[in-house]
Amino acid sequence: DQQVKQNSPSLSVQEGRISILNCDYTNSMFDYFLWYKKYPAEGPTFLISISSIKDKNEDGRFTVFLNKSAKHLSLHIVPSQPGDSAVYFCAAKKGDYKLSFGAGTTVTVRA
Amino acid sequence: KAGVTQTPRYLIKTRGQQVTLSCSPISGHRSVSWYQQTPGQGLQFLFEYFSETQRNKGNFPGRFSGRQFSNSRSEMNVSTLELGDSALYLCASSLGPQGAGEQYFGPGTRLTVT
Repeated sequence: DQQVKQNSPSLSVQEGRISILNCDYTNSMFDYFLWYKKYPAEGPTFLISISSIKDKNEDGRFTVFLNKSAKHLSLHIVPSQPGDSAVYFCAAKKGDYKLSFGAGTTVTVRA
Repeated sequence: KAGVTQTPRYLIKTRGQQVTLSCSPISGHRSVSWYQQTPGQGLQFLFEYFSETQRNKGNFPGRFSGRQFSNSRSEMNVSTLELGDSALYLCASSLGPQGAGEQYFGPGTRLTVT
């Protein structure tokens, strides 16, 4: 049962524009959410996270928004750069229980 | 500090065979988690080992097993391989139990079953 869903398998965006990646979850008990970035032939690396007590967290060009009532979070990348081309995974957890990951969204930044 | 290493990086096996994958965590990390990545399914959690004990297990058949040694290195075994087992197998290590801190992933082992 997929508790974390990324319904857009791919996203293409022009360099300099905003990339918006979406993630939905079904388990209302999740209290911590993370985004990971993965390049080909490498393992995922942690990008940014947000606790359920917040609705926004910002780190440089990356901002994560959390809408608990809609069980939805999004990652905004502004401005998008060619090096941002990668697969992005959304993940969620409850307490110190295991992480549940989404299927990933492949982002392609066009020059 | 060296990162998470996985061996081998690539593997080709035939149906019915068995395979063992290895993961060496970051020095000092006591938790190792294993994931299977396939297109469209994302990262599916296999199991987590913490201090040589299986702490959590995902929804995979008993053909998938693992263990952790006293030096925190972990191995994953898949017996009676099926075509559907072709995937990228990732391991991740963390200082404490998974979920209590950040996980660091290895580059993965690409398994192809023919």
